[in-house]
Amino acid sequence: QKEVEQNSGPLSVPEGAIASLNCTYSDRGSQSFFWYRQYSGKSPELIMFIYSNGDKEDGRFTAQLNKASQYVSLLIRDSQPSDSATYLCAVRAKTDKLIFGTGTRLQVFP
Amino acid sequence: DAMVIQNPRYQVTQFGKPVTLSCSQTLNHNVMYWYQQKSSQAPKLLFHYYDKDFNNEADTPDNFQSRRPNTSFCFLDIRSPGLGDAAMYLCATSRELGRSSYNEQFFGPGTRLTVL
Repeated sequence: QKEVEQNSGPLSVPEGAIASLNCTYSDRGSQSFFWYRQYSGKSPELIMFIYSNGDKEDGRFTAQLNKASQYVSLLIRDSQPSDSATYLCAVRAKTDKLIFGTGTRLQVFP
Repeated sequence: DAMVIQNPRYQVTQFGKPVTLSCSQTLNHNVMYWYQQKSSQAPKLLFHYYDKDFNNEADTPDNFQSRRPNTSFCFLDIRSPGLGDAAMYLCATSRELGRSSYNEQFFGPGTRLTVL
């Protein structure tokens, strides 16, 4: 079992729709969770982080964390073509190392 | 603007020819990281420095070395690049380690290494 798992996609959504990106992790002791956006050929850019169970909203982005289910998600409301990118989920392990998933490729079509 | 800078952005080297990649930061962060990312794969941590303390990942090949002469700069040395070392090399920083609110990692733009 991979430490951090994401569906590689592509996830295709129409412009204006809600994109839902999911991530599961294996280390029940993980405390910190991060979402990075990575455009093709570019470096990862931090979008959001979440530490507590529940929802955290920042503009069009909402991160959701369920520690009991070991599940973290990212919702993007009113998706735009400029949101088309790979979204990396990252989990801070007990060793303080950041473990990345392989990412989900999102395509937003006009 | 405070930032993480990597030079060069693109590096071409020959098989076996040593190469050095550079990272600098104006964030005054204590921790600097080097990751390797191959196409469609997750970033893979090679090592990190907490201040001057060097931490090597167990599976990082000996071919990869790092130096941090001061807070602002960190270098990645690849002593004898092989074809399998062609990748994007990402430098990242964080203010602290540990499970605090200051451990978000911020990435530089990356250096794409090509090995001929």
